[in-house]
Amino acid sequence: GENVGLHLPTLSVQEGDNSIINCAYSNSASDYFIWYKQESGKGPQFIIDIRSNMDKRQGQRVTVLLNKTVKHLSLQIAATQPGDSAVYFCAENSIPSSNTGKLIFGQGTTLQVKP
Amino acid sequence: GAGVSQSPRYKVAKRGQDVALRCDPISGHVSLFWYQQALGQGPEFLTYFQNEAQLDKSGLPSDRFFAERPEGSVSTLKIQRTQQEDSAVYLCASSSRDRVSGNTIYFGEGSWLTVV
Repeated sequence: GENVGLHLPTLSVQEGDNSIINCAYSNSASDYFIWYKQESGKGPQFIIDIRSNMDKRQGQRVTVLLNKTVKHLSLQIAATQPGDSAVYFCAENSIPSSNTGKLIFGQGTTLQVKP
Repeated sequence: GAGVSQSPRYKVAKRGQDVALRCDPISGHVSLFWYQQALGQGPEFLTYFQNEAQLDKSGLPSDRFFAERPEGSVSTLKIQRTQQEDSAVYLCASSSRDRVSGNTIYFGEGSWLTVV
């Protein structure tokens, strides 16, 4: 399953399928991007990050793709499991090379995994 | 502790009351951040500390919001004369280095503030 654009905040997939969560970021100068997972009642949990000098990075069951031409970021989750159900946020470091900790978060996508 | 610890986890305040939210970052972490998360939204930046220095407070919504980290470890976010629009989850985060890029930022569970 895949969400298209920012105006579809919920993605529902069958257990075992691959999930693709999309995000458009705002600043072409951003140099660092992060995906967070947030379960109900908990704080955001780091999943994977990528620097702007890369276009792909793989982790365990997750892959992040970065397309700087169109300012687009995606998170791919392989073999989605019920435990992956959560809200997923992309975040960008919109003021690179500055001494600040300001991350800009996207709206978030709710991933629902059907057993 | 192993992670970022926040207290109280839940706070109900009457409108006009002052509140103080505490954050214990991961031991030795240089950077500390406060974010505000409204229901159904992504976190929004409030302020950033590097050790005891508050280097960025551009996200604080009004002068009723004040944050401090006097000894470069524990931080307190204070909200004076709370209003209903202050109701949100207040997230604290920390990282081991002094720049965002390439440095994992760890979030706490948040302090849930409800103003009635």
